[in-house]
Amino acid sequence: AQSVTQLDSQVPVFEEAPVELRCNYSSSVSVYLFWYVQYPNQGLQLLLKYLSGSTLVKGINGFEAEFNKSQTSFHLRKPSVHISDTAEYFCAVSVHNDYKLSFGAGTTVTVRA
Amino acid sequence: DSGVTQTPKHLITATGQRVTLRCSPRSGDLSVYWYQQSLDQGLQFLIQYYNGEERAKGNILERFSAQQFPDLHSELNLSSLELGDSALYFCASSIRTGGVETQYFGPGTRLLVL
Repeated sequence: AQSVTQLDSQVPVFEEAPVELRCNYSSSVSVYLFWYVQYPNQGLQLLLKYLSGSTLVKGINGFEAEFNKSQTSFHLRKPSVHISDTAEYFCAVSVHNDYKLSFGAGTTVTVRA
Repeated sequence: DSGVTQTPKHLITATGQRVTLRCSPRSGDLSVYWYQQSLDQGLQFLIQYYNGEERAKGNILERFSAQQFPDLHSELNLSSLELGDSALYFCASSIRTGGVETQYFGPGTRLLVL
């Protein structure tokens, strides 16, 4: 079975500063990786996904993530955050022919002016 | 807006009661997934339906059941409710492209059991 560990439960960051959210996964087979964002009192919105190919994946709202197979990581980055990026971020994994998502515990990002 | 709709948005009920949560997938999506989000357990997969048939089961209690109808909408039934069932319940739908599925989530139903 696959699993996801998000290494930081809370990340405070100042506006216009960069942010990195760390995600490590565990699986015995090839994986598909996703980052979702949950704004306060809302559902989950897909930020980006890695299916195959280029290890650097660009998503919406200026986010990007890099798949590192040797380190089993899929860290999310944004070079300059805005107040509106305040949200909870979830890393998730699925595998071929078992499409359910296994989620990490989430990282709460709080952007301060 | 993901295109996935869920009703109701909020539900308050008492222990021992039964409720039904409804989900309408995006147009063309055949798969529906149900997830539960709670403070102590995080986001957990409950059950998946594909074109009307149960495809996969996760940590779903026996008191919970689901179905997907011919028009592809899905219902999650929760019975003999307990305080611990209070949570946010998400539905997601997906389409398979090249052997991969990407799930799009609805806004959720917030259930409070008193």
